[in-house]
Amino acid sequence: DVKVTQSSRYLVKRTGEKVFLECVQDMDHENMFWYRQDPGLGLRLIYFSYDVKMKEKGDIPEGYSVSREKKERFSLILESASTNQTSMYLCASIGGLADFYNEQFFGPGTRLTVL
Amino acid sequence: ELKVEQNPLFLSMQEGKNYTIYCNYSTTSDRLYWYRQDPGKSLESLFVLLSNGAVKQEGRLMASLDTKARLSTLHITAAVHDLSATYFCAVRAGANSKLTFGKGITLSVRP
Repeated sequence: DVKVTQSSRYLVKRTGEKVFLECVQDMDHENMFWYRQDPGLGLRLIYFSYDVKMKEKGDIPEGYSVSREKKERFSLILESASTNQTSMYLCASIGGLADFYNEQFFGPGTRLTVL
Repeated sequence: ELKVEQNPLFLSMQEGKNYTIYCNYSTTSDRLYWYRQDPGKSLESLFVLLSNGAVKQEGRLMASLDTKARLSTLHITAAVHDLSATYFCAVRAGANSKLTFGKGITLSVRP
């Protein structure tokens, strides 16, 4: 079965803390994504990675960084958490363009609260 | 810039009746995806539509794609409470696998 896993389902952090959100996929997918989802704003892309050590900014990268040292793992880092980063964070992965079906799968999500 | 629009944003459905929701997109694409999201949960893949005229069905849901009109429809047959959820469409365009999502349509089925 296809699997995208995220390190935590719920996380509570304090303002100013450094926060790591981990995502692992077991499908050998080239592409991985981090989104945040807020009521009324839909899904917004934070960063994506199309290969190991490669990353590209999405629509709202400010206040975030990412790391992809291995193909299966994509980490989202909040350098100094702020209350406006309280959100649901969703990780996703998808194969490359050579993957005919090219279906994107999502992890279960991490609900982060910053106090 | 690719834009994906879904309408309506909210739909109250009566049990047993049929409904159609829509997804429009602004540029040429070769893939359209439908996802379902239950409250507090992640997105679950429903359909991947790969070509013009593609039609896929799963239970009471049927999705179709018209690439010339840049339109996908999701038809709901005889709505039941279990279908209450938010439905997103997403489109792939460009040289990478990045998807652009619509804002989602929240369906609520009432008795």
